[in-house]
Amino acid sequence: DAGVTQSPTHLIKTRGQQVTLRCSPKSGHDTVSWYQQALGQGPQFIFQYYEEEERQRGNFPDRFSGHQFPNYSSELNVNALLLGDSALYLCASSTTGLDEKLFFGSGTQLSVL
Amino acid sequence: GENVEQHPSTLSVQEGDSAVIKCTYSDSASNYFPWYKQELGKGPQLIIDIRSNVGEKKDQRIAVTLNKTAKHFSLHITETQPEDSAVYFCAASTDSWGKLQFGAGTQVVVTP
Repeated sequence: DAGVTQSPTHLIKTRGQQVTLRCSPKSGHDTVSWYQQALGQGPQFIFQYYEEEERQRGNFPDRFSGHQFPNYSSELNVNALLLGDSALYLCASSTTGLDEKLFFGSGTQLSVL
Repeated sequence: GENVEQHPSTLSVQEGDSAVIKCTYSDSASNYFPWYKQELGKGPQLIIDIRSNVGEKKDQRIAVTLNKTAKHFSLHITETQPEDSAVYFCAASTDSWGKLQFGAGTQVVVTP
């Protein structure tokens, strides 16, 4: 049973560019959440997708956007990259219901130069 | 919004000793408290969780306690082993659907 998979594992971009990160949820999961983890800090919630709609959003600017596809996979897009966007981007999946547990992928390490 | 504070930031223990990590939360509406272990180059791995209707939960060498009145919860690791070395994060959630507020993490080092 494959867990949460993310691609690419590493990415280097320059300021002002745009980036797209991808995530496939754990089998049987229908909800995808994205987190940003800066070096030495805990993950911070960006947003969550369920039924192809953004259901909740954290305190991130509109430069951060996402999408969920009918097969539950998801993309995170970041426009007009800033140096401060350098971080580990984590995707987590879960299934709706009372006993929701969040399972994380290994992340995409984004470096903005 | 919810704020989670985690202490200590680093913890060094001898193999076989116990390790305790403490977290406090601010929102009394929080009802779900997971703990994650993150090894270098990997994503956080769920190791144990507790809901607000339970005061304590144990899974082999790992236990979590919750004090709703004081708004704090703790992770206890007994008989520590070198493979327990990692960064541990506590988190809290005021709603379902996977929006977690994480603490800043505790670097645990178990020395043989």
